[in-house]
Amino acid sequence: DAGITQSPRHKVTETGTPVTLRCHQTENHRYMYWYRQDPGHGLRLIHYSYGVKDTDKGEVSDGYSVSRSKTEDFLLTLESATSSQTSVYFCAISEGTSGNINIQYFGAGTRLSVL
Amino acid sequence: EDQVTQSPEALRLQEGESSSLNCSYTVSGLRGLFWYRQDPGKGPEFLFTLYSAGEEKEKERLKATLTKKESFLHITAPKPEDSATYLCAVQASGFQKLVFGTGTRLLVSP
Repeated sequence: DAGITQSPRHKVTETGTPVTLRCHQTENHRYMYWYRQDPGHGLRLIHYSYGVKDTDKGEVSDGYSVSRSKTEDFLLTLESATSSQTSVYFCAISEGTSGNINIQYFGAGTRLSVL
Repeated sequence: EDQVTQSPEALRLQEGESSSLNCSYTVSGLRGLFWYRQDPGKGPEFLFTLYSAGEEKEKERLKATLTKKESFLHITAPKPEDSATYLCAVQASGFQKLVFGTGTRLLVSP
């Protein structure tokens, strides 16, 4: 999985509790992304980062926040989990060199169930 | 708005039966089109990038082609191990984000 580790791999939590998912990379890539994957919707971008402390929203960012304090780590936080956030979450990385094509490499995913 | 539509949603083939998967797209200036393979319980695995109409790329039994409106993933004499979901994505010029289709689930029976 291209030097990308997601943790935990599986999590079950209750509605209203905070949840943090971690993505760690060993590739020193500039860009990191969080996606969710749901049947019928494909991969949808939640948030992404283009450098340490530089982040931006994706198409489905409501209810999620992110932080990147080091190049290698990108955290996704659900401040108060809801059942609609039950999904499989994928982290991706890319070199993101200006003008270059953006090939993204994905982690193995985190399966989150909110009961 | 950039969009990617993949068809069919699911495809069942016999081993050795060649076929094609379709990815239709609308994008404001194509920077690149990507094909990924995703096995159950795993993350997408990068296969190909295509940059301009007329371009073709091959890998083992897979060949990807690109026109101005769509891309095809041709699978020649597939084997059961080719069973997976195949995802298509596009990158618009000037942007780092990718827009993904919902994928085609391919099942190859022995």
